[in-house]
Formats: sequence, C-alpha cells, structure tokens
Amino acid sequence: DIQMTQSPSTLSASVGDRVTITCRASQSISGWLAWYQQKPGKAPKLLIYKASSLESGVPSRFSGSGSGTEFALTISSLQPDDFATYYCQQYTNYWTFGQGTKVEIK
Amino acid sequence: EVQLVESGGGLVQPGGSLRLSCAASGFTFSNFWMHWVRQAPGKGLVWVSRINSDRSSTTYADSVKGRFTISRDNAKNTLFLQMNSLRAEDTAVYYCIRESGESRYFDYWGQGTLVTVSS
Repeated sequence: DIQMTQSPSTLSASVGDRVTITCRASQSISGWLAWYQQKPGKAPKLLIYKASSLESGVPSRFSGSGSGTEFALTISSLQPDDFATYYCQQYTNYWTFGQGTKVEIK
Repeated sequence: EVQLVESGGGLVQPGGSLRLSCAASGFTFSNFWMHWVRQAPGKGLVWVSRINSDRSSTTYADSVKGRFTISRDNAKNTLFLQMNSLRAEDTAVYYCIRESGESRYFDYWGQGTLVTVSS
C-alpha cells in the first residue's frame, strides 16, 4: 500500500500569507496526485489534479508542484475563505489520502 | 449541474446491516466509475470501494472486504453500498463520489450520510 504523509498537521497563518503544505508518498506516484479542500461539515472539494493542474473555477492563488514522492500545495496569498483542512491523495495504486493539514487563523 | 445525493444513513447496532443509496444527476451516470469514501468523526478520509461504469468490476478496501458490497443501477442513476456485519469502527460519514472521466481522481462529491454503529 502507498502511504501519504502530509506536513505540517496544523498551520497557523494570517490573511495575505504565503502558505505551503507538503505531501510525501511512500513510493513514486509519478504525478498522480490530487489536492482537496474541506470545510467543517462539508464535503471535500477538488483543487488540483495531476500534481499541478488547477481544477476549473479554483482561484489561481492555489498551485501545486512536485513529482515522484515529493509534492506541495501553495496558497500565494491566504484569503479568509481558505481557512480549512487540506488533503492530498494519490491515485496511481488504489486511492490513499494524507492525514490532512488544518490551516487556521493565527 | 452535477449532483450526488446520499441517503440511508442512521443508527444501527453492531452486527447489523444498512444500505446506502446515492442518486446522481446532471451527467451521464453510466459513463463514470463511482466510489465510496468515509470519514470517521474528527478523522481523515479513507477510500472504501469503487465500481466501474458497466458494473463488471468492483474493488474494496481490506477493512470492508467481505462485509460491504458496492453496486449500481444505471437505469435509475443510483449507486449503492450494502453494509453488513457492521462494527463500531465503521461509524463515519460516507461520501458518494464520481471519478473523473479524464483520470482516477475524484471530481464531484456528495454531501455525505452519517452511519453510526452503536448499541
């Protein structure tokens, strides 16, 4: 099984900050990685697929990078609507999620 | 507009059964693979099961294999999850999900239905 490890687990930041969340796979997944945003009581929402492709309708302040085993999600200027939990997911061998990163207000 | 609406969740005793449904609309349901993912209270996301578009192939997480059965009715645009021999650790919100037609990521999620296994 492929394990996905995100860091940090919690991130405290202010509006306007540049924020980066990292995700590491236990073995190479090429670029088969997605990022999701989840707000309390809501379903996750797709942000990024194929490591760096922005889903339609997602603000351009979100970007993804990486390949192989190391990946990152960056929010260039954090907005009030971005405080949420973020999950990475590999989809090369079944489907596995990271444990999540909660972005909270500093 | 793509919509996925789950139903069928509720309180069930350990060892009991429950059948979840997911009504799909806004897309050609029979063309897409579908999945169930669950999330225990306060925890992360865990993939449960998937079914291909013509029902010929299903896959399960080890934790539910032999107890859960995924199925679909393409004529009624509905996805199902039959859950038997339920355990306390199956308590979670269950999400119905559409797999992207382009690749294997998840592009649309339902709002989820809560299953609570408790005596």
